Amino acid sequence: QVQLQESGPGLVKPSETLSLTCTVSRGSFSPFYWTWIRQAPGKGLEWIGKIYSSGKTNYSPSLRSRVTMSVDTSKNQFSLRLTSVTAADTAVYFCAREAAHELDHWGQGILVTVSS
Amino acid sequence: EIVLTQSPGTLSLSPGERATLSCRTSQSGPNSYLAWYQQKPGQAPRLLIFATSSRATGIPDRFSGSGSGTDFTLTISRLEPEDFAVYYCQQYGREYIFGQGTKLEIK
Repeated sequence: QVQLQESGPGLVKPSETLSLTCTVSRGSFSPFYWTWIRQAPGKGLEWIGKIYSSGKTNYSPSLRSRVTMSVDTSKNQFSLRLTSVTAADTAVYFCAREAAHELDHWGQGILVTVSS
Repeated sequence: EIVLTQSPGTLSLSPGERATLSCRTSQSGPNSYLAWYQQKPGQAPRLLIFATSSRATGIPDRFSGSGSGTDFTLTISRLEPEDFAVYYCQQYGREYIFGQGTKLEIK
């Protein structure tokens, strides 16, 4: 069954850019929407946005001004960039696959801490 | 903006008992857009139920979902020790919205 794995720095300085990549294996990359979700420590789930395998994107209104997502179909990867980070962006970041209207496969998550 | 409100915040039950978790949405939407997830500490959420009442692959039949309009329910018929976790409901619209979660703990 499809597997997802997040990768990237676990520590980012305030005001800098958070960059993460999700690698998809053991399954088709197309034609699916791929999503990013985050969970602040001890808090609930927050949807960040999604990207189609063709590159079409849809971002959360609350984060739209700081988020960019991209895909690399040759590597079965999609990526997240979040600019101007603050301590409020400290969270576990998950990537997931969208089925119809739900998220059926998730990565294990990666903790990103924003601190100087 | 759609808001999902889950109740109770914490549910204390014993193995073998029946659990009933509620999710109320601020706006009615298609039943096909309501899902439930289970999350254990240190793990990613796992899809349990989609389209209000359809079980995801590999989910035991003690888990069931129901509801319509703005009121939805996740029922666990007989709790097993591994069922104690946090449960989230989710609605899909212009974006994915999650409830704040219900923690199911051992009494």
